Amino acid sequence: DVKVTQSSRYLVKRTGEKVFLECVQDMDHENMFWYRQDPGLGLRLIYFSYDVKMKEKGDIPEGYSVSREKKERFSLILESASTNQTSMYLCASRLPQGAEYGYTFGSGTRLTVV
Amino acid sequence: EDQVTQSPEALRLQEGESSSLNCSYTVSGLRGLFWYRQDPGKGPEFLFTLYSAGEEKEKERLKATLTKKESFLHITAPKPEDSATYLCAMSTSGTYKYIFGTGTRLKVLA
Repeated sequence: DVKVTQSSRYLVKRTGEKVFLECVQDMDHENMFWYRQDPGLGLRLIYFSYDVKMKEKGDIPEGYSVSREKKERFSLILESASTNQTSMYLCASRLPQGAEYGYTFGSGTRLTVV
Repeated sequence: EDQVTQSPEALRLQEGESSSLNCSYTVSGLRGLFWYRQDPGKGPEFLFTLYSAGEEKEKERLKATLTKKESFLHITAPKPEDSATYLCAMSTSGTYKYIFGTGTRLKVLA
C-alpha cells in the first residue's frame, strides 16, 4: 500500500514563527498536494506539485510556500505563522492525472498557532 | 463554477437502518467522482472512484452510484464502526486539483 507520512500529528507554534510541515510518500507518485481542512469549509487546496521542483498555487496560497527538492518529499512552509492558520493540514499524493486514482492522504497535522 | 454539495450535513442512524448520502455536482468535463471516509483526527481514506453515469461500485456495506448530476453512497444495515465523515470529491478536465464537498457526518447508534 502507498503510504503518505506527515512528520507531526500535533504542533503548537507561536505567532510569527516560521513553521515547516513535512510530507513523504513511498510510491513514486508524481503529484503531491497540501490541503487545509476547517469545519464548514471542507478541504481547500493550498499548493500542489506535479513534479520535482515544480509547484502551482492552489486556492488559498497566501501566507504559505512549498518546497519539492526530491520526488518523495513535499514541504509546506508557513513563513510567519498567524492564528488564522490554526487548522488541520493534510498532505496527499497520487499518480499522474491521466490515471484517475484517488488521492492517498497522510494522517494530517493539527496545527495550533497561539 | 464547478461545485460539489453534500447532504445531509449530519445523519444519525440506528444500527441496521439503511440510508443514503447524497453528493450533487455541477461541473464541465467530469473526469471522476471519488468517495472518501474520514475518521476523527485522521486523513481521508479512499473508498471509490466512479467515472460515468450508471456506474456502481460496492465494498462491504457501501455502494456508490453515479448519475449525470449526483452520486449516492448507500449504506446497507450499517454498524457503529461505519460512523465517520464521508466526503465526495470530483476531478475535472484541465486541472490537477480535486473539488471536495464539506462532507456528511454519519453516526450509527448501537
